[in-house]
Amino acid sequence: EVQLVESGGGLVQPGGSLRLSCAASGFTFSDHYMDWVRQAPGKGLEWIGRSRNRIHNFDTQYAASMRDRFTVSRDNSINSFYLQMDNLKADDTAVYYCARAYYGSGTWPRIDSWGQGTLVTVSS
Amino acid sequence: DIQMTQSPSSLSASVGDRVIITCRASQGINIWLAWFQQKPGKAPKSLIYATSNLESGVPSKFSGSGFDREFTLTINNLQPEDIATYYCQHYAEYPLAFGGGTKVEIK
Repeated sequence: EVQLVESGGGLVQPGGSLRLSCAASGFTFSDHYMDWVRQAPGKGLEWIGRSRNRIHNFDTQYAASMRDRFTVSRDNSINSFYLQMDNLKADDTAVYYCARAYYGSGTWPRIDSWGQGTLVTVSS
Repeated sequence: DIQMTQSPSSLSASVGDRVIITCRASQGINIWLAWFQQKPGKAPKSLIYATSNLESGVPSKFSGSGFDREFTLTINNLQPEDIATYYCQHYAEYPLAFGGGTKVEIK
């Protein structure tokens, strides 16, 4: 069973930094893409960025608005996925979800599994 | 960038009704569209991928159709447990993008 467990959320001051973690289990981590998605209070889902799989050298892709301050990375030795967030602003307040994008033959990778989310609050 | 527009933004239907949600892409995305269900206070759940394929364990009351720029999610026999917000997402190219969501309520 695929399991994704986020951690690292909390209260941070504007201008501060935070690193979120996602512990993955139940699948061969390096075979699949991994995404971060966020949801501001009362708002919709917003895609942040992706780390592709071993076949694609774990390269990264971002939403344009996230690229300057957010960095995704992964440690395949411990099946963990990360989101480094710098220079945080009030409108970064959101629940941050880790998601697996399943990579299989014959179809483009799509999100098929989600973590429970971790809340980040940016406030002084 | 490709923008996704869902309609309606909310709807109210009776138990047993068929509900149809529309998602439109600003450019052609072939079949690379997914649907997600999010119940209040919960993480999203993946329902459909590649326009019309059900994820494992998703009941057949859910179905998807469409191609290129226009897509639909159909929920047959609406039940109280289907109350949720539904999101489409294209994954045809980077950046990926979600629609604004459709909130489904029981009349």
